[in-house]
Amino acid sequence: AQSVTQLDSQVPVFEEAPVELRCNYSSSVSVYLFWYVQYPNQGLQLLLKYLSGSTLVESINGFEAEFNKSQTSFHLRKPSVHISDTAEYFCAVSEGSSASKIIFGSGTRLSIRP
Amino acid sequence: DGGITQSPKYLFRKEGQNVTLSCEQNLNHDAMYWYRQDPGQGLRLIYYSQIVNDFQKGDIAEGYSVSREKKESFPLTVTSAQKNPTAFYLCASSETQDSGNTIYFGEGSWLTVV
Repeated sequence: AQSVTQLDSQVPVFEEAPVELRCNYSSSVSVYLFWYVQYPNQGLQLLLKYLSGSTLVESINGFEAEFNKSQTSFHLRKPSVHISDTAEYFCAVSEGSSASKIIFGSGTRLSIRP
Repeated sequence: DGGITQSPKYLFRKEGQNVTLSCEQNLNHDAMYWYRQDPGQGLRLIYYSQIVNDFQKGDIAEGYSVSREKKESFPLTVTSAQKNPTAFYLCASSETQDSGNTIYFGEGSWLTVV
């Protein structure tokens, strides 16, 4: 069965510093991978997703994630964070044919210090 | 603007009472979902619906009920049988049930049992 592990529940960083949020998954078949972001008291929004093709995917606000099949990872990175990036980030994996089978990680809270 | 509207944002319920959370979408999506989010945990699927007049139990359906009489509406009833209902509830939708589809979320409803 598929599962998702986000290794860090909280990541504090200084503004303009680089950040990496780690995500590992387990699955015996091909998967789709997602990162969602949740700002306080709001729903989740898709940040980026990997379906196929290039293993490096990018979002419009400077985040990127790389699918590493051998390490079963999909870490999220940003070279320079801003205060506005403060949020909770969820990694998700889907291996079935139905979107209802998507599994979310427990989330990583990113806090940016000025 | 297209999106998902959840109401109410905050709701207090006395023990033993049923309560219904509203979810409306104008995205013309076939599939809709209800998730529950507890602190420090990922999202857990309560119910989902692939199409009008059809819905399926998710991972934690006990104590909840839904209906899908219209494409745009998917209300969730939290019944008195739900032992620990205090949580953040998220309604979501996707164009179809295909697993590569982006899932769009509402802004959530906070339910507190007093």
